[in-house]
Amino acid sequence: DGGITQSPKYLFRKEGQNVTLSCEQNLNHDAMYWYRQDPGQGLRLIYYSQIVNDFQKGDIAEGYSVSREKKESFPLTVTSAQKNPTAFYLCASSMAVYTEAFFGQGTRLTVV
Amino acid sequence: GQQVMQIPQYQHVQEGEDFTTYCNSSTTLSNIQWYKQRPGGHPVFLIQLVKSGEVKKQKRLTFQFGEAKKNSSLHITATQTTDVGTYFCAGPIGGTSYGKLTFGQGTILTVHP
Repeated sequence: DGGITQSPKYLFRKEGQNVTLSCEQNLNHDAMYWYRQDPGQGLRLIYYSQIVNDFQKGDIAEGYSVSREKKESFPLTVTSAQKNPTAFYLCASSMAVYTEAFFGQGTRLTVV
Repeated sequence: GQQVMQIPQYQHVQEGEDFTTYCNSSTTLSNIQWYKQRPGGHPVFLIQLVKSGEVKKQKRLTFQFGEAKKNSSLHITATQTTDVGTYFCAGPIGGTSYGKLTFGQGTILTVHP
């Protein structure tokens, strides 16, 4: 099946620890995105990538890092510098920035 | 910051009533996309509008793209409980080289049976 996969679905971490969220797609899409969603809130862009080995900061990049070493993978690391990391994280991909985006199921991160 | 604005933030309706959400961009968009996110789920693409003044329909849903390609609306006729969820508009901001898909804040729709 073609699609975009995020893992894990739920993640718990202690404060001060870095954590990496996985995002894999087999849709052969060039563009990939990471969004953060807080309860009752919209989607805020963390990082995005148009092509392999290139990525750009979104609106709330502080405390996060990404890599895009392979076309199909775009992992997000939530570092200890992120002041309020508990949130729902959504990864998406699209053929290009102006085309339909496909979302993964999301990872719900809780930091205690 | 956010360059795609969406109103209202919340809308509560009785089943059978109509619903409209509005989207405004600070810049002209090459296209506008609409997504629906069911409670506990992830956003799912509904439609894309490309042409100035374009109107598209999907059963009870009507989507419009403004003449200036800076605003859009989604209208649902005779809402049903299955329409519950958050509706987002999104547009590519920043061109095709380093553009990013920017979402509005979303409108949370509640339908009372």
